[in-house]
Amino acid sequence: EVQLVESGGGLVQPGGSLRLSCAASGFTFSTLWMCWVRQAPGRGLEWVSRINSDGSNTIYADSVKGRFTISRDNAKNTVYLQMNTLRAEDTAVYYCTRAYQNAFDIWGQGTMVTVSS
Amino acid sequence: QSVLTQPPSASGTPGQRVTISCSGSSSNIGSNVVNWYQHLPGTAPKLLIYINNQRPSGVPDRFSGSKSGTSASLAISGLQSEDEANYYCAAWDNSLNGWVFGGGTKLTVL
Repeated sequence: EVQLVESGGGLVQPGGSLRLSCAASGFTFSTLWMCWVRQAPGRGLEWVSRINSDGSNTIYADSVKGRFTISRDNAKNTVYLQMNTLRAEDTAVYYCTRAYQNAFDIWGQGTMVTVSS
Repeated sequence: QSVLTQPPSASGTPGQRVTISCSGSSSNIGSNVVNWYQHLPGTAPKLLIYINNQRPSGVPDRFSGSKSGTSASLAISGLQSEDEANYYCAAWDNSLNGWVFGGGTKLTVL
């Protein structure tokens, strides 16, 4: 079964850091781009970041550029999102998703990140 | 304010046909494919339409997509109660160098 499972969410103070993980299974992880998409409470979906298949190229939304870092370990079939200097506006459910033919075709269930003092 | 513009809400009765619009610009919809997602709160979003009008396997043919110029639309025919969800359009934006989503349309089945 094709599956993405996120972990690592939680409560963190403003200015703090958190690392999210997304474990993939059921497909050839190392050949596909991966992304993170988030949804803040009461808001719509927002694309956050993308990493290419071998991890050599990454891009970010302006809202997180310089603070978030996406990476992957193809040996572990896992993609990560390192989030630093967190702000209240980063509070959201973070979804890991597979990018195929320029569409997000497989999604995880999401992990909640709350930035609050 | 989302880069792609969708109506915040839409509604219809069972069996009816509804359409949801998505308006963009030359840097996104005008030059790239459009995808549509269905999202129920508390669940994983689901890809509904890709490359403007293609349905992934398992998506009923009641759902269809189209694109013209800098706009796109999602049509749902034979509306069913389980179609009640939030719907999002999305496309790559050449100017922003990233994907952009519409603000989402909440569909209510009356």
